[in-house]
Amino acid sequence: DIQLTQSPSFLSASVGDRVTITCRASQGISSYLAWYQQKPGKAPKLLIYAASTLKSGVPSRFSGSGSGTEFTLTVSSLQPEDFATYFCQQPNSYPHTFGQGTKLEIK
Amino acid sequence: EVQLVESGGGLVQPGGSLRLSCAASGFTFSSYWMFWVRQAPGKGLVWVSRINSDGSGTTYADSVKGRFTVSRDNAKNTLYLQMNSLRVEDTAVYYCARGGAILGVVYGLDVWGQGTTVTVSS
Repeated sequence: DIQLTQSPSFLSASVGDRVTITCRASQGISSYLAWYQQKPGKAPKLLIYAASTLKSGVPSRFSGSGSGTEFTLTVSSLQPEDFATYFCQQPNSYPHTFGQGTKLEIK
Repeated sequence: EVQLVESGGGLVQPGGSLRLSCAASGFTFSSYWMFWVRQAPGKGLVWVSRINSDGSGTTYADSVKGRFTVSRDNAKNTLYLQMNSLRVEDTAVYYCARGGAILGVVYGLDVWGQGTTVTVSS
């Protein structure tokens, strides 16, 4: 199975900050990587797919990059509604594993 | 409105069975691969299974293989997860999700249900 390791696991930041979350795959997955946002008690929401394609309706302050084994999710200017947990997932091969999550908290 | 609504969760004893349902609306259900993902309390997301659009192909996580069965009824726009021989460690919120695809390649899970809670305990 492909393992995805996110870093950091916890991130404390302020409104207006630029933050970056990294997702590393245990083997190459080309650009088959998705990012999700999950708020407490809610289902995850797809933000980015194919490593860098923003899902329609997702604010442009979110961006993704990377290929192969290293990927990043960047939020250019944090808004209050962005404080949540973020997960990466690889749909390259079964099982479509998820990273362990990064909890983004307000400083 | 595109929507997935899960049902069927509840409290079950270890070794018991449960069938989850996921009712789809607002899109052509029969055109999409569907997935189940679970999340134990306070933990991360875990991929459980997938089924292709006509139900002819399925895949499972090792942790549920041989115990869980995914199926679908395209006439009823409904996805199912039959869970047998349940274990305490199967306790989780179970989400159904739609596989977003481009040219037949799934790129992510673009629509999610609200989740249904399964508790396995004696």
